[in-house]
Amino acid sequence: EPEVTQTPSHQVTQMGQEVILRCVPISNHLYFYWYRQILGQKVEFLVSFYNNEISEKSEIFDDQFSVERPDGSNFTLKIRSTKLEDSAMYFCASSEHWTSGSYEQYFGPGTRLTVT
Amino acid sequence: DAKTTQPPSMDCAEGRAANLPCNHSTISGNEYVYWYRQIHSQGPQYIIHGLKNNETNEMASLIITEDRKSSTLILPHATLRDTAVYYCIVSYSGSARQLTFGSGTQLTVLP
Repeated sequence: EPEVTQTPSHQVTQMGQEVILRCVPISNHLYFYWYRQILGQKVEFLVSFYNNEISEKSEIFDDQFSVERPDGSNFTLKIRSTKLEDSAMYFCASSEHWTSGSYEQYFGPGTRLTVT
Repeated sequence: DAKTTQPPSMDCAEGRAANLPCNHSTISGNEYVYWYRQIHSQGPQYIIHGLKNNETNEMASLIITEDRKSSTLILPHATLRDTAVYYCIVSYSGSARQLTFGSGTQLTVLP
C-alpha cells in the first residue's frame, strides 16, 4: 500500500540554525500539506501546496518557513532560523484530486524536531 | 468550517462495537464529515468520510443523521490496536482544504 514517508525521523538542532524536513508524498497525489503537533497539543495546519504554489497557509507559517517541491517526488519544509518553540512533531500529508470534491489526506509518520 | 463537539474519552471492551459520536450542528450543505485517528504520536490516519449517506469501508462505518447535525463512527469489533484519539472533522468540499483538528475522543479498548 502506498504511503507517505518522511526523513529524518528525529532532528536535533541548535537555536538559530536552518533545518530542512523532507517528505515523499504518495506518487499520484497532487496536493501536499505540512502540519505540526507540539507535545501534548493539537495537530495544527501549517501550509498546503498545489501546482507548485502555496494554496493556504496558517498564521504559524511566517517568513521563517518555506516549502518547496524540488523534484517530482520530494516535498520539503525549511525553517530558516529555528526557535525553541519550533520544537514539535512535523507531519507531511498528501491527497489526490477527487471529482466528488472530497480530499482525504494521508499522513506520514512525522519528523520530531528538537531545538536546543 | 463547522465546529465539531466530541466527548473527551470513551472506553470499549475488546471485541465489542465502539460507537463514537460527533456533533456538528452548524454544518453546511457542501461540507464533508471526515474521521481520522492518531495512535500515540504517530501521524493521523484517515478512516472514513461522508457527505449525506451512511458509508462503510474495511475499517469502520459512518452513520450521518438525516439533518446532518451529528454523526457516529462505528468500529464493529474493536481491538486493542484501535486505542487512539479519534477526530471528527468537518471540511468544505471543492478544494483541498486544511484539516482543523480538535481535541478528539480518546478511545481506550479494554481487554
